[in-house]
Amino acid sequence: AQKVTQAQTEISVVEKEDVTLDCVYETRDTTYYLFWYKQPPSGELVFLIRRNSFDEQNEISGRYSWNFQKSTSSFNFTITASQVVDSAVYFCALRPGSSASKIIFGSGTRLSIRP
Amino acid sequence: DGGITQSPKYLFRKEGQNVTLSCEQNLNHDAMYWYRQDPGQGLRLIYYSQIVNDFQKGDIAEGYSVSREKKESFPLTVTSAQKNPTAFYLCASSGQDRVSNQPQHFGDGTRLSIL
Repeated sequence: AQKVTQAQTEISVVEKEDVTLDCVYETRDTTYYLFWYKQPPSGELVFLIRRNSFDEQNEISGRYSWNFQKSTSSFNFTITASQVVDSAVYFCALRPGSSASKIIFGSGTRLSIRP
Repeated sequence: DGGITQSPKYLFRKEGQNVTLSCEQNLNHDAMYWYRQDPGQGLRLIYYSQIVNDFQKGDIAEGYSVSREKKESFPLTVTSAQKNPTAFYLCASSGQDRVSNQPQHFGDGTRLSIL
């Protein structure tokens, strides 16, 4: 089965706190691709990062960092020193290598940053 | 600027009426997609097209129809057979879909409601 689980439905933190959004995936494919998208209140999905299954190197981009661990099938997303503008719904997604046309999305985590 | 344009932003449907959602892209992408998003849920794939004059059903195609007569356009018709059409509809495109790691680019969405 191909599946993405984002167990945290909603998270609320105070500005400047660090916050981690969890993502666990299931796939039988040995080659696959993982994505994170941000959906602000305006509605469009904004692409944040892509990770290939054969590249477990973690990545940092400014206040954002991603921890990919194949051993636990997880691809977690951490925001350091959160800001109010980070408030959005965040989606983790999986694209199996055997199904190039389909992306499986998690149900999303609504992140609220309080001033 | 290159991007994806969805129109209208808001749409209301009467009982028994078909309505068409527009999606246009100027990114020169081969692949285009339609997703449905319900409150608190992730995105579910309705239809996708990898090339002009060809399209495939996604996970929830019943009650919907599409056409792909031009590379830049992928309109979605919500037919009267779709009994629960109220949702947020997102159109996306990606380049060279056979390359699985291409991220999808999304439009701003259309919010459809029943009158």
